[in-house]
Amino acid sequence: EPEVTQTPSHQVTQMGQEVILRCVPISNHLYFYWYRQILGQKVEFLVSFYNNEISEKSEIFDDQFSVERPDGSNFTLKIRSTKLEDSAMYFCASSSRGPGTEAFFGQGTRLTVV
Amino acid sequence: AQSVTQPDIHITVSEGASLELRCNYSYGATPYLFWYVQSPGQGLQLLLKYFSGDTLVQGIKGFEAEFKRSQSSFNLRKPSVHWSDAAEYFCAVGERDDKIIFGKGTRLHILP
Repeated sequence: EPEVTQTPSHQVTQMGQEVILRCVPISNHLYFYWYRQILGQKVEFLVSFYNNEISEKSEIFDDQFSVERPDGSNFTLKIRSTKLEDSAMYFCASSSRGPGTEAFFGQGTRLTVV
Repeated sequence: AQSVTQPDIHITVSEGASLELRCNYSYGATPYLFWYVQSPGQGLQLLLKYFSGDTLVQGIKGFEAEFKRSQSSFNLRKPSVHWSDAAEYFCAVGERDDKIIFGKGTRLHILP
């Protein structure tokens, strides 16, 4: 069964460093998303991406964040200068039918900023 | 703005007992409704979804959910829980061309 894969599963980084979280969405999907879940809190929407551009972003997704689909298969989330409060589980998701419809989530990357 | 409320933060049931997890939503139009499950240290797995049609939907692992428009609810049920059902359950709502919004989750504990 096709699935969304994310790497790495866990990343530890020092405050102020740049991190790139990687995702390989399901191959025939056209809509891609990033969500995050701070420990013990709810899953929050960060950004949606379609046709090589951001279609929607939340207030959380400030200038420190960027997304890219560099090669037609990977979908990345970059945090330019990490802060302690960026520590969270980051989930990538993809869908074939557009935002709001069924999305398939990856296993997540746990980011720890120290 | 749309919102999802899961009123129970924790639920504890005995193995073999029935389960109902509550979910209420606030949405202007007919929403798409989802239940996801997250086992410890794992990602989000889709249990079931409702887009239209029959208001009682069947999902994986023996779960079902019923959409009740009059109550703005989409409660998740299982007739007999297993110890492996211990996890966190998230109700979510979406609409075509809008993002999916998650509730805060309900953590299910199973007593042997």
